[in-house]
Amino acid sequence: GENVEQHPSTLSVQEGDSAVIKCTYSDSASNYFPWYKQELGKRPQLIIDIRSNVGEKKDQRIAVTLNKTAKHFSLHITETQPEDSAVYFCAASRNTGRRALTFGSGTRLQVQP
Amino acid sequence: DVKVTQSSRYLVKRTGEKVFLECVQDMDHENMFWYRQDPGLGLRLIYFSYDVKMKEKGDIPEGYSVSREKKERFSLILESASTNQTSMYLCASSSGTVREKLFFGSGTQLSVL
Repeated sequence: GENVEQHPSTLSVQEGDSAVIKCTYSDSASNYFPWYKQELGKRPQLIIDIRSNVGEKKDQRIAVTLNKTAKHFSLHITETQPEDSAVYFCAASRNTGRRALTFGSGTRLQVQP
Repeated sequence: DVKVTQSSRYLVKRTGEKVFLECVQDMDHENMFWYRQDPGLGLRLIYFSYDVKMKEKGDIPEGYSVSREKKERFSLILESASTNQTSMYLCASSSGTVREKLFFGSGTQLSVL
């Protein structure tokens, strides 16, 4: 089955700096890669996703890049703000076979004001 | 707004007890999922269901069973609770394909003593 590895497990940045979280996956048939954000004490929520027919997707200060050859994808947050502090999870899935996401182990991002 | 409701926020049980975790969604979603969240391990899939009375094992189904008698309700059952099942349990639902957004419940923190 799919295995998703996520790094780093914790990340501390100064407000205004950029943050990058990286994930690798094992199943070459995976073609959908979402990112979820979980603020302290709250439920995870989808913030951005990318599908295998594109290499990059942006939404304001967040972007995701995908390298299918290397089987890795990354989340980029620019101009970080204290409200970006949260745990971020990457995930992967394929269209066929098991119809459920496999999540990474999570990255705790702390933005220092 | 989609609502995924988990019956208990906190639950304390004794080793060997049978435990029921209930999840209800109000958006007529076909798919429902149970994840377990542990620090450093991310979200691990226990079971999921894509139709009434249908269920599929996730990555860590041992010690758990599920029931989906109605479309809106998905129950997780711990037949004989053990201390290593102490965890945060998150229910989620989605419509359509695996590429659709997951809507999570607020979670049940289960402590098995």
